[in-house]
Amino acid sequence: DAGVTQSPTHLIKTRGQQVTLRCSPKSGHDTVSWYQQALGQGPQFIFQYYEEEERQRGNFPDRFSGHQFPNYSSELNVNALLLGDSALYLCASSLGAIQETQYFGPGTRLLVL
Amino acid sequence: QQQVKQSPQSLIVQKGGISIINCAYENTAFDYFPWYQQFPGKGPALLIAIRPDVSEKKEGRFTISFNKSAKQFSLHIMDSQPGDSATYFCAAKGTSYDKVIFGPGTSLSVIP
Repeated sequence: DAGVTQSPTHLIKTRGQQVTLRCSPKSGHDTVSWYQQALGQGPQFIFQYYEEEERQRGNFPDRFSGHQFPNYSSELNVNALLLGDSALYLCASSLGAIQETQYFGPGTRLLVL
Repeated sequence: QQQVKQSPQSLIVQKGGISIINCAYENTAFDYFPWYQQFPGKGPALLIAIRPDVSEKKEGRFTISFNKSAKQFSLHIMDSQPGDSATYFCAAKGTSYDKVIFGPGTSLSVIP
């Protein structure tokens, strides 16, 4: 039973560029949440997708957007990258929109130069 | 009011000792308090969780103590092992569809 998978594992971009990160949820899960984890800090909630719609959003600008596909996989897009966007981006999946028992993927490490 | 505070920032414990990590919150609407364990290069993994109607929950060597009136909760790791060396995050969540708020984390090192 595959857990949550994310791609790519690492990514280097320059300021102003755009990036797309991908997530496949754990088998049987239908909800995907995205988090940003800066070095030495706890994960911060970006947004959640359930039934292909953004259901909740944290305190992140519109440069952060996402999408959920019919197979429940999800993408996180970040436009106009800033140096401060350098972080580990985590995807978590759960069954239903209640984020209690959620399983995290290994994350995508993004470095913006 | 949405913050979760966590201390200490780092902790060194000898093998066999007790590791204690403390957290505090302000928002009385929080009703679910999970703890996550994160190893380097991995995503956080749910370790144990508690609701405010329970004062203590134990799973193996891991125990959560919860003080609703003080708005504090803590994780105790008994008989700490080198394999427990990781970063631990406390977190809190409000009503059913609310987001999870994480604390800043505690880096635990268990030395032989």
